[in-house]
Amino acid sequence: DVQMTQSPYNLAASPGESVSINCKASKSISKYLAWYQQKPGKANKLLIYDGSTLQSGIPSRFSGSRSGTDFTLTIRSLEPEDFGLYYCQQHNEYPFTFGSGTKLEIK
Amino acid sequence: QVTLKESGPGILQPSQTLSLTCTLSGFSLSTYGMGVGWIRQPSGKGLEWLANIWWYDDEYYNPSLKNRLTISKDTSSNQAFLKITNVDAADTATYYCARLRRVSHYFDYWGQGVMVTVSS
Repeated sequence: DVQMTQSPYNLAASPGESVSINCKASKSISKYLAWYQQKPGKANKLLIYDGSTLQSGIPSRFSGSRSGTDFTLTIRSLEPEDFGLYYCQQHNEYPFTFGSGTKLEIK
Repeated sequence: QVTLKESGPGILQPSQTLSLTCTLSGFSLSTYGMGVGWIRQPSGKGLEWLANIWWYDDEYYNPSLKNRLTISKDTSSNQAFLKITNVDAADTATYYCARLRRVSHYFDYWGQGVMVTVSS
């Protein structure tokens, strides 16, 4: 199975700041990484797929990048609604695997 | 508008079989390229992919639970199902269903999840 190592576990930032969340795959997954946002009482939201493609309807302050097996989700100019949990998922091969999650909190 | 809604028993006893239903709206599992997956999340923990089923009935399972899982669908009612046999406390979790499309294997729409507790 592909292990996804996600960091940091916790992240505190203020509205208007920029943050980055990282995921490292244990082997090559090509570009096939997705990022999701999770908030209580709401359906999980797909933000980015194929490493850097923005899902329709997602604000452009979200972006994804890749360097080899290292992937980064960057959120520029944080808005209050961006706080929550974020997960990466490799969608290159079965079994699909997720990162352990990053909790983005208001500072 | 694509929506998915999970339903389940809420609570069940160890060794029983867990039966979950995912009711789909806005798309059909009889349409080329469509799939549904099940993912679970114990409280305070991360996400674990369980199984997928595709429009042409192909099924994929997480090897860590494969012998206990059965995924199926009913296109006439536009529902997908997951059964987990011989449950124990480790199966206590929120269970999600989510849509996939053949072009890729990310989950583009999720249900809100259903909480399942295994307890005697």
